[in-house]
Amino acid sequence: GQNIDQPTEMTATEGAIVQINCTYQTSGFNGLFWYQQHAGEAPTFLSYNVLDGLEEKGRFSSFLSRSKGYSYLLLKELQMKDSASYLCAPEGGGYNKLIFGAGTRLAVHP
Amino acid sequence: SAVISQKPSRDICQRGTSLTIQCQVDSQVTMMFWYRQQPGQSLTLIATANQGSEATYESGFVIDKFPISRPNLTFSTLTVSNMSPEDSSIYLCSLTSGGDNEQFFGPGTRLTVL
Repeated sequence: GQNIDQPTEMTATEGAIVQINCTYQTSGFNGLFWYQQHAGEAPTFLSYNVLDGLEEKGRFSSFLSRSKGYSYLLLKELQMKDSASYLCAPEGGGYNKLIFGAGTRLAVHP
Repeated sequence: SAVISQKPSRDICQRGTSLTIQCQVDSQVTMMFWYRQQPGQSLTLIATANQGSEATYESGFVIDKFPISRPNLTFSTLTVSNMSPEDSSIYLCSLTSGGDNEQFFGPGTRLTVL
């Protein structure tokens, strides 16, 4: 079956670093996406990992371990505008088919 | 990245009626997808729409309830048929673009069924 697990909520301080973990079980895994979604808006693409390891993109980095079914999103130098939901979405069961986790609601406070 | 627009952006509909949502892209794409996001929930894939073939529906979704058209490589429609309050959701189209297989979402259509 398909299963995605990520924390429901996290809080962090402006300027700090936060790591959002995601574990998954999917059939036919291809890669894993991370999206940011502000309330009332559509998801915004952050990253896509296919190979094991860390991909860095500015303040955001994403890590994947295919053998462990594990990924994390690392946000550095947090800003208030980073308060949003972060969605882990493995691509599985078919090309480009994304299965979304419930999302992690991150609150950044001063 | 491709620019995606959806119409309408929101609508309030009566039970038993149908609504057709349009998704327009500014470039040609092979694969388009339709998702639903119910209040407070994450996204669920409804179907994959490829131009020139029948849409492929996910478990729990059927063509009679959610007919999809894909007449060309820049446009798709999703119809929510015989609506009930349980269909109140945000409906989003998405597509794959770029060499890194990135999947992008349209702005969504917020549907409320009374």
